[in-house]
Parts: sequence; C-alpha cells; structure tokens
Amino acid sequence: ETGVTQTPRHLVMGMTNKKSLKCEQHLGHNAMYWYKQSAKKPLELMFVYSLEERVENNSVPSRFSPECPNSSHLFLHLHTLQPEDSALYLCASSQGRDRGNEQFFGPGTRLTVL
Amino acid sequence: AQKVTQAQTEISVVEKEDVTLDCVYETRDTTYYLFWYKQPPSGELVFLIRRNSFDEQNEISGRYSWNFQKSTSSFNFTITASQVVDSAVYFCALSEVKRANNLFFGTGTRLTVIP
Repeated sequence: ETGVTQTPRHLVMGMTNKKSLKCEQHLGHNAMYWYKQSAKKPLELMFVYSLEERVENNSVPSRFSPECPNSSHLFLHLHTLQPEDSALYLCASSQGRDRGNEQFFGPGTRLTVL
Repeated sequence: AQKVTQAQTEISVVEKEDVTLDCVYETRDTTYYLFWYKQPPSGELVFLIRRNSFDEQNEISGRYSWNFQKSTSSFNFTITASQVVDSAVYFCALSEVKRANNLFFGTGTRLTVIP
C-alpha cells in the first residue's frame, strides 16, 4: 500500500448505529487530518493530530470521536449520527509545518446516514 | 481572517480549448502557501502545486500553468488544450505559516471537458 488509504469507501448507517472510519498513511508523516466534504460547501477541517496529539478540534459535535493510536493510523468513531452528517469524509496526512503543510489525501469514505 | 474564493462554480469547455480557473485569497500574514488540488470523480484530492508567498514566478508543468499575483491576491490556474481527463473539481487552498496545521479551501470549481 502506498499513500493514504481509507476504509470503508462507502458506509450506510442508521442514526442509532456505531461505526468507525479508518485511515492509514504510508508516507512517514507526523500529522493527520479529518475533513468533511458536503455538497456545495468548502472542505471543513474537523480534527488535526500532530505527533499523535490532537491539536485542533473545530467545534465538531461529540458524536464524532477521533482516535490516533500512532502516527500512521487515524480513526473516526461515529455514534448517534444525524442525516445531515451524510458527506464524504476525507483523511489527509502531512509532514507538519514542512513544505508549507502540503497535505496528501485519501480517497474518502462516502457516508450516508438514514 | 483567511479566505479563499473561487467564484466560478462550474465551467464547461470543449476538448482542446484553454481554460482558466480563478482563485482569490485573503490573509493578513506575509508568509503563506497557496495550493491547487484536483478531485476527480473517484473522490481523492490530488496535489497539483504549492507556491510560497515569496515566489511570484509563474510556473508551467506540461499543459498546466499557474499565475501568482500578490498585487491582486490571485493564484489562477490555466489548463491548455484541455482533455476529457481534466474533468474534475479543482480546489484552491491557503496555508498560513502561523497556523500551519490549517489548510483553508475554496468551494471548488467543477470543470467539465466535453469531447
């Protein structure tokens, strides 16, 4: 595997379900990100982890819970979601402040909440 | 406050035409980086270019070229002789050195190249 991978690619869940999104980067980067991409809106930065510590949390509802067990893996745990949470969730990684924070993205998880 | 504006929501061109995607940014920082990303239908954002605020030289890479003008706070992207494979959503983004963890994206321009 190379680059940034995300699983699953598609997820359909009910509002009472609990699921997790997984992201893995094979680039040796030290920062990882979760973004939400909704239709006709800018990409919204949700969480940033740098050296496995959360350094940014952009007022994301508590029904989204990130976890970064090591510098290569990032999870987004989902519970009690709402239909408006349906979106494409993108993971990215970077070498932190180096190279102007050039971020490399995964293919995303298309989430549908019924 | 930081802001990236891509005024063109959707553009359609016929194959082999040239097309320019506009990007205007706002920042109070003197040191920053600008990016363009391509998002094909598969969903993954593909990095195209990074420029820092001290380098205003225009850049050309094959059919792609970028025009960075600090005087107008613009970082426009031109595709020459467009091809169907260029059809995608293109995002312009800004990163400030002081808030290096954040990448501020525009709303994107959807380019459709018609064969």
